[in-house]
Amino acid sequence: DAKTTQPTSMDCAEGRAANLPCNHSTISGNEYVYWYRQIHSQGPQYIIHGLKNNETNEMASLIITEDRKSSTLILPHATLRDTAVYYCIVRLGNTDKLIFGTGTRLQVFP
Amino acid sequence: DTGVSQNPRHKITKRGQNVTFRCDPISEHNRLYWYRQTLGQGPEFLTYFQNEAQLEKSRLLSDRFSAERPKGSFSTLEIQRTEQGDSAMYLCASSPRGGPYEQYFGPGTRLTVT
Repeated sequence: DAKTTQPTSMDCAEGRAANLPCNHSTISGNEYVYWYRQIHSQGPQYIIHGLKNNETNEMASLIITEDRKSSTLILPHATLRDTAVYYCIVRLGNTDKLIFGTGTRLQVFP
Repeated sequence: DTGVSQNPRHKITKRGQNVTFRCDPISEHNRLYWYRQTLGQGPEFLTYFQNEAQLEKSRLLSDRFSAERPKGSFSTLEIQRTEQGDSAMYLCASSPRGGPYEQYFGPGTRLTVT
């Protein structure tokens, strides 16, 4: 699985959009980009995933660049409850395990 | 929605003792995963079951570790002769047949070896 690079930490004001970047320059054509988050003392929570096209669900939007070497997770209106560690994971479609990095610690402040 | 459940939530044991953790996946999920997470790190994959078959084991899973899923439903993770380095959060996740589907994680079992 391809390696990902994320900033160690980010801050965001409550109510503003949080844009979390991820670099995955060695991604291959059949690898998906997944995002999970982990709120303190809880298990990771699935957010969204995509292959080539941008994706949106009730939690977030995922923007994948045309060359697929990077992506951005967007939380459109961050709340204090979005404070968590966000993990960007690149995963083959037929691979079951998830390989987590150290993620981005997002702090949402009032 | 029962989600993935894990028991116990916390376990404190003395070095050298054996411990066993249990994971109950979401009922219709046939895939079950174990991960370990130490402080400040992301979760690390340990092993994976499809139904009752253990299909993959990480090199992290030393011979002191054993996992079972005897009837393809709940799973147990046993650590024999615990060491202080085994102190971590042990996470279980499940996913439905097919893929690539998201994995649903339980709350974890925090093990402290004194």
